[in-house]
Amino acid sequence: NAGVTQTPKFRVLKTGQSMTLLCAQDMNHEYMYWYRQDPGMGLRLIHYSVGEGTTAKGEVPDGYNVSRLKKQNFLLGLESAAPSQTSVYFCASSSYSGPLNEQFFGPGTRLTVL
Amino acid sequence: KNEVEQSPQNLTAQEGEFITINCSYSVGISALHWLQQHPGGGIVSLFMLSSGKKKHGRLIATINIQEKHSSLHITASHPRDSAVYICAVNYGGSQGNLIFGKGTKLSVKP
Repeated sequence: NAGVTQTPKFRVLKTGQSMTLLCAQDMNHEYMYWYRQDPGMGLRLIHYSVGEGTTAKGEVPDGYNVSRLKKQNFLLGLESAAPSQTSVYFCASSSYSGPLNEQFFGPGTRLTVL
Repeated sequence: KNEVEQSPQNLTAQEGEFITINCSYSVGISALHWLQQHPGGGIVSLFMLSSGKKKHGRLIATINIQEKHSSLHITASHPRDSAVYICAVNYGGSQGNLIFGKGTKLSVKP
């Protein structure tokens, strides 16, 4: 049982390049989330999904797109990377959406945009 | 804006000390979570609570709904407890979205 995995672990991009971060979970969870973590700030929600084929915007969605074509996968895309998107990106999943839902986190992807 | 404030930001303790990390929030919540971020970056959930107190091993989490405040205590601290401890709150709603504090970096010296 791998839990939540993220690919890649590290990436360096040049401004304007595009890339896709992959999140996969093997726990059959309905809910999946993408966060970014920046120095001196708490985790911030970028986009989330409440089930296969559905996505919604979080707190900081600008510059990112997402897709959830399969229940186990949640993709985060950067169409034209900017230095402000340098961050550590975490994916998480949970089985339900109630207040006491435990979110399971992936190991993170460290992205640097030059 | 709903905010989550943690204190202290940084904490250094000697092995064996009793540690308290505080979390306060601005409006009523449905639940509060405590998470641990290891030095390697991984994040794990420690506690989820909506009232009262929970205990797991040497860790104790309490919440006072009226005062909008929660504390995370570590008894008999150990260097392996060194990590960033993050408080997050759920303000309700159907998506289970959490609002995170900035974290408290704990370093326990042997």
